[in-house]
Amino acid sequence: RKEVEQDPGPFNVPEGATVAFNCTYSNSASQSFFWYRQDCRKEPKLLMSVYSSGNEDGRFTAQLNRASQYISLLIRDSKLSDSATYLCVVNSYGNKLVFGAGTILRVKS
Amino acid sequence: EAGVAQSPRYKIIEKRQSVAFWCNPISGHATLYWYQQILGQGPKLLIQFQNNGVVDDSQLPKDRFSAERLKGVDSTLKIQPAKLEDSAVYLCASSPGFSLYEQYFGPGTRLTVT
Repeated sequence: RKEVEQDPGPFNVPEGATVAFNCTYSNSASQSFFWYRQDCRKEPKLLMSVYSSGNEDGRFTAQLNRASQYISLLIRDSKLSDSATYLCVVNSYGNKLVFGAGTILRVKS
Repeated sequence: EAGVAQSPRYKIIEKRQSVAFWCNPISGHATLYWYQQILGQGPKLLIQFQNNGVVDDSQLPKDRFSAERLKGVDSTLKIQPAKLEDSAVYLCASSPGFSLYEQYFGPGTRLTVT
């Protein structure tokens, strides 16, 4: 089983739609969780950290469920510019970060 | 603030040849990472430095890959000899500390082995 698993998609949604991605992780001792965004042929960039109580940044909401060991990312009112690959990132043993394979989002007009 | 710099941006070599990549992290960042990203996959950590010491190199294929970070600043990653399966983007990242901190990535080096 992979340490971090994501649905690869692609998720094809119209502008203005709400879309949600899930990510599961295998290490129950993980303490740090992040969502990174990667545009085509670009480097990953931090989108948001994920806190135990859940957190929101504008149109983006991240949730953590420790009992079920999954993280979610909700994007409301999707924009064309949201089209990218979204990487779920979890810390593993020895403070190493493990990246999921990513979920592809395509927002169409 | 200058970001993470990497060179070269692109490299094409034949199998069994050698190649080296260079990374200059953000000034003051103690931790430096090298990742390998194969098309369609997430970045995979190859090696992590804290200043000039190795913290984790468990996924570095040590028979052909080597890395160093002299003086705790710049770093080089070398592949010798290269195999076809080494074709990937090699990303360098830096952060002020360990995993609780955001990692800042460079633009990457796209390696094609023919």
